[in-house]
Amino acid sequence: QKEVEQNSGPLSVPEGAIASLNCTYSDRGSQSFFWYRQYSGKSPELIMSIYSNGDKEDGRFTAQLNKASQYVSLLIRDSQPSDSATYLCAVNRFSGGYNKLIFGAGTRLAVHP
Amino acid sequence: DAGVIQSPRHEVTEMGQEVTLRCKPISGHDYLFWYRQTMMRGLELLIYFNNNVPIDDSGMPEDRFSAKMPNASFSTLKIQPSEPRDSAVYFCASSLADGATNEKLFFGSGTQLSVL
Repeated sequence: QKEVEQNSGPLSVPEGAIASLNCTYSDRGSQSFFWYRQYSGKSPELIMSIYSNGDKEDGRFTAQLNKASQYVSLLIRDSQPSDSATYLCAVNRFSGGYNKLIFGAGTRLAVHP
Repeated sequence: DAGVIQSPRHEVTEMGQEVTLRCKPISGHDYLFWYRQTMMRGLELLIYFNNNVPIDDSGMPEDRFSAKMPNASFSTLKIQPSEPRDSAVYFCASSLADGATNEKLFFGSGTQLSVL
């Protein structure tokens, strides 16, 4: 089992729809969760972080966390073609006295006009 | 600040050759990370430094890979000898913290490495 799992996609949604991206993780001790966006040929950039169970909203983006189910999701409302990118879920792993960030392989989102 | 600067942007080499990738982190960032990205394996952490000291190198694939950070403004990742399976995009990132708590990682533009 991979430490952070995501459906590779592509997830295709029409412009204006809600895009739902999902991620599961295996380490029950993880406390910090992140979504990075990566445009084709570019580097990842952080768009959301979440640390507590529940929802966190930032503009058109909502991150959802359920630690009991070891599940993180990202909702993008009113999807735009400019949202077309690969979305990477990242989770912390704490071992040996230090933290590190583990990324999933990413879900490719395609928003079509 | 110009952000994290990596060089070269592209590197094409032949199997068996030595490859050196370079990174200049954002000034003031105490943490520097080297990641490798492939279609098959996604974004993998190879090694990270705190205040120029390697903290976790468990992701370094094998002895052919080595990384150094001689000062706060420069790091190298070396592959010797290179193999075709090393072909990937190598990202350097820096941060004010370990990136796994509440500080984000700032990524460089990456080096696209092709080993023929």
